[in-house]
Amino acid sequence: DGGITQSPKYLFRKEGQNVTLSCEQNLNHDAMYWYRQDPGQGLRLIYYSQIVNDFQKGDIAEGYSVSREKKESFPLTVTSAQKNPTAFYLCASSASFTGADTQYFGPGTRLTVL
Amino acid sequence: GEDVEQSLFLSVREGDSSVINCTYTDSSSTYLYWYKQEPGAGLQLLTYIFSNMDMKQDQRLTVLLNKKDKHLSLRIADTQTGDSAIYFCAERRNNAGNMLTFGGGTRLMVKP
Repeated sequence: DGGITQSPKYLFRKEGQNVTLSCEQNLNHDAMYWYRQDPGQGLRLIYYSQIVNDFQKGDIAEGYSVSREKKESFPLTVTSAQKNPTAFYLCASSASFTGADTQYFGPGTRLTVL
Repeated sequence: GEDVEQSLFLSVREGDSSVINCTYTDSSSTYLYWYKQEPGAGLQLLTYIFSNMDMKQDQRLTVLLNKKDKHLSLRIADTQTGDSAIYFCAERRNNAGNMLTFGGGTRLMVKP
């Protein structure tokens, strides 16, 4: 059963702590993306990766970091430098970055900073 | 502000048609998408339209594209309670690979 998985579904963090959100896909997609969604707002792009071992900053990369060591995995770290990290985080993937390939989304992780 | 704009809220009665509107700014956008988000879930692709098309129909869904006015709409025929969700339109950014710009989403409420 192919798809994108994100874990955990809910995550709580104390202020000042880093936390890593997992995103895995078994669709054999080259490109992967991380978005942030705030209540009543659209999705904003944090980071994206066109291919394994590559990644670029999106529109709101400050306070976040990523890695892409394996094709199927694109973890996102929310660092203590992110001033307002409480949000819903969505991971997506597409077959390629240069083609007009559909982005498919995971179920999301809701991060709450206590 | 966002480059892609949608109204925040739409309420319809079950069985009626719903029309969700979207305006975008990049006239060179090649693909425009409609996604559906149910509570606490990820986004599900509903349909998309290529910029050289005026209309696309897929079962209960009809997408209309007016390139001159940069206006996109999604019509849902015979709206059901299961259609209650947030609907996002998105445009593929020009000269930016496969990056998308999303609207703020329209919350559709279907009353029985």
